[in-house]
Amino acid sequence: AQSVTQPDIHITVSEGASLELRCNYSYGATPYLFWYVQSPGQGLQLLLKYFSGDTLVQGIKGFEAEFKRSQSSFNLRKPSVHWSDAAEYFCAVGARAGGFKTIFGAGTRLFVKA
Amino acid sequence: GAVVSQHPSWVICKSGTSVKIECRSLDFQATTMFWYRQFPKQSLMLMATSNEGSKATYEQGVEKDKFLINHASLTLSTLTVTSAHPEDSSFYICSASFPTGANTEAFFGQGTRLTVV
Repeated sequence: AQSVTQPDIHITVSEGASLELRCNYSYGATPYLFWYVQSPGQGLQLLLKYFSGDTLVQGIKGFEAEFKRSQSSFNLRKPSVHWSDAAEYFCAVGARAGGFKTIFGAGTRLFVKA
Repeated sequence: GAVVSQHPSWVICKSGTSVKIECRSLDFQATTMFWYRQFPKQSLMLMATSNEGSKATYEQGVEKDKFLINHASLTLSTLTVTSAHPEDSSFYICSASFPTGANTEAFFGQGTRLTVV
């Protein structure tokens, strides 16, 4: 069965510092991988996705993620964090199940300090 | 892009009443939709798979008699929380996707915050 592990419940970084959020997945075939961001009380916003091809994926808001099959990882990175990036980040794996089912990790709460 | 709309965005109801949440795919047809629940400070957990024209498939531990799902058309799925209680208070999100295609993704509604008082 598919599963996603986000080992960090919360992370605090200083504004302007770099960021890396970790994600490991378990999936039998080539995975469809996603990163979503959720601000308090809001819905989900898709940051980026990986289906195939180039393993370094660029997303919105200056985020990128790298797919590493050998490590079953899909870590999210940003070179310089802004205070507005403070939010909950979810890594997810998708699979065809009639429609497209999404399995989410537990999430990582990002705090940004001035 | 594909748009999925949920209604209402938030609802407050009295304990013991029922609440219906709608999920619509506005510009595409979806034979399958999914319903998720998110408790405060937790992740999104898949509740059920909604299949157009047939019974929904529920995840283990989800009460099918409490969370009634109807997918009567290719663009609309509804989730009815029956005899709601305070512990049902949560954020409910639906998703839909194109029925075919190797590379695709789920498009999520904006969510419905349910508060049972």
